[in-house]
Amino acid sequence: DAKTTQPPSMDCAEGRAANLPCNHSTISGNEYVYWYRQIHSQGPQYIIHGLKNNETNEMASLIITEDRKSSTLILPHATLRDTAVYYCIVRALQGAQKLVFGQGTRLTINP
Amino acid sequence: GAVVSQHPSWVICKSGTSVKIECRSLDFQATTMFWYRQFPKQSLMLMATSNEGSKATYEQGVEKDKFLINHASLTLSTLTVTSAHPEDSSFYICSAIDSRFGEKLFFGSGTQLSVL
Repeated sequence: DAKTTQPPSMDCAEGRAANLPCNHSTISGNEYVYWYRQIHSQGPQYIIHGLKNNETNEMASLIITEDRKSSTLILPHATLRDTAVYYCIVRALQGAQKLVFGQGTRLTINP
Repeated sequence: GAVVSQHPSWVICKSGTSVKIECRSLDFQATTMFWYRQFPKQSLMLMATSNEGSKATYEQGVEKDKFLINHASLTLSTLTVTSAHPEDSSFYICSAIDSRFGEKLFFGSGTQLSVL
């Protein structure tokens, strides 16, 4: 799997948009970008994934650059419950591929 | 989304005993499940890939005789930590692929193992 690079930590004020960057410069053409988050002492939770088009769901938006070498996860109106470690992972879709976690970004939402 | 149930949530055992952790896909069939472990303040580390009806595939450095994985049905995989020692104390997490949702992985809530 291609490696990803994320800042180790970020802070964001409650109610503001949280923008989490991820670099994946060695991503292959068949690899998707996945975002998961892990709240303390729980299993990771799926947020969103995409290939090359921007994606949006009820939790977040995913913006992928045209060259696919980086992406940004956007939480539009962060709440205190969004405090978690966010993982950006690249993964091929074919063949029941595993998820290989990097160190992630510890996002803290401040009141 | 899919539901993956993991049991127990936490377990304390004496050194030298074996502990079994169960991972169930409640509303879907999972041909493939994965087992991870996580030490405090660290990321998840993949231990092995569990395939229904066949032997698990272990990641490099993971002792297959110590961490026994059985995936006997399409809804259940078990991880047995044999002859547990204090250094095996960790947070163990399973996940399963649900092909109904584009091959996404869904995770259990994890098992905190403490070996005394």
